[in-house]
Amino acid sequence: ETGVTQTPRHLVMGMTNKKSLKCEQHLGHNAMYWYKQSAKKPLELMFVYSLEERVENNSVPSRFSPECPNSSHLFLHLHTLQPEDSALYLCASSQGVGTVDISYEQYFGPGTRLTVT
Amino acid sequence: SQQGEEDPQALSIQEGENATMNCSYKTSINNLQWYRQNSGRGLVHLILIRSNEREKHSGRLRVTLDTSKKSSSLLITASRAADTASYFCATVRGIGGFKTIFGAGTRLFVKA
Repeated sequence: ETGVTQTPRHLVMGMTNKKSLKCEQHLGHNAMYWYKQSAKKPLELMFVYSLEERVENNSVPSRFSPECPNSSHLFLHLHTLQPEDSALYLCASSQGVGTVDISYEQYFGPGTRLTVT
Repeated sequence: SQQGEEDPQALSIQEGENATMNCSYKTSINNLQWYRQNSGRGLVHLILIRSNEREKHSGRLRVTLDTSKKSSSLLITASRAADTASYFCATVRGIGGFKTIFGAGTRLFVKA
């Protein structure tokens, strides 16, 4: 266990549905991340939050909407998704977002396997 | 094109053998990290090497970094069946130090 939990672990949704992915970290970290992992593609950084403030939006379509109500919780709200959005969505946290001289290792949750039908 | 690219894409070895995986990248970096991922699970951080370091050890892991060649290697010595997983290099760049870019990974299979 890495101290980062994600729910649900598996999700099947239609293209017109609205669902949310939840991530919770119990490590006292200040930064949280969403990644998308598709088959045979590198892990893609989607969003980064530092102290509940979004510091990175990596050109993600608006059908993905993140929310960070506090430093321990991160959500990814999904609506009108496409079949190509099917992937493993990974949440991660780190002590901070780092600086030029300091980088922090990221702790990952187990992921949510999303299938869009 | 992606920042980190691992080589080989897949590697199959016998238990007890050493496994070497390579990573190349294209732009300047703050540091480089290696992660492991067991099938369908989250990633686990293995080791971080800073841009001013050349070699780092952690248990059976040895990582080297050659910034002139923009490459890194991960060596796992005396491999075990439990080392079977995908291994990713990740480069961190940018002023914020948080823009982590992962390669496509090397799938390692260690046969018992």
